[in-house]
Amino acid sequence: GAVVSQHPSRVICKSGTSVKIECRSLDFQATTMFWYRQFPKKSLMLMATSNEGSKATYEQGVEKDKFLINHASLTLSTLTVTSAHPEDSSFYICSAALAGGVTDTQYFGPGTRLTVL
Amino acid sequence: SQKIEQNSEALNIQEGKTATLTCNYTNYSPAYLQWYRQDPGRGPVFLLLIRENEKEKRKERLKVTFDTTLKQSLFHITASQPADSATYLCALEEGGGNKLTFGTGTQLKVEL
Repeated sequence: GAVVSQHPSRVICKSGTSVKIECRSLDFQATTMFWYRQFPKKSLMLMATSNEGSKATYEQGVEKDKFLINHASLTLSTLTVTSAHPEDSSFYICSAALAGGVTDTQYFGPGTRLTVL
Repeated sequence: SQKIEQNSEALNIQEGKTATLTCNYTNYSPAYLQWYRQDPGRGPVFLLLIRENEKEKRKERLKVTFDTTLKQSLFHITASQPADSATYLCALEEGGGNKLTFGTGTQLKVEL
């Protein structure tokens, strides 16, 4: 149980285009989802916290107009990288916290490798 | 400033030995600490959670200790196997809301 999927797993796009990444909790409901980015050989950096039905909370230094987050349902959150540039190339990972559960565990998706040319 | 440090970038050990990974933190008062495993090109996989009022947690070959006075957690893998080779991340939760801050990770390689 507690599986989180991401789509796509890899995406290559041209500079200036927008890319949408989906994060789904497959077998549980998640009131909260988190978006991270990870550079090679570096740790995960939290970008934003997404709550179902409300606006996302962004970490300091993360541009909310650049990284649009929508958490439309208890099983789906999307991250849209708008007007992507090569410096946005990274590994983007989402996680979901179990809704109504006693655990504080986050379940992570497999990640999306974004390459901006 | 707040900092989470994990021991060395890479740790090589022989199969069958116990691997011990360290997570030190400063200027945090975490409600709990978690350990994750991450394989190359994959998302982290949850291993263990230990709360501030717990000293030790075990799960199969894994053991985690948490010393809030030393501000340190140790992660042990006993009878290590080549399949245990991965990067191990510690993460702290502070302030509620399940928001995690990750350490830098330790790459473990178990050799035959």
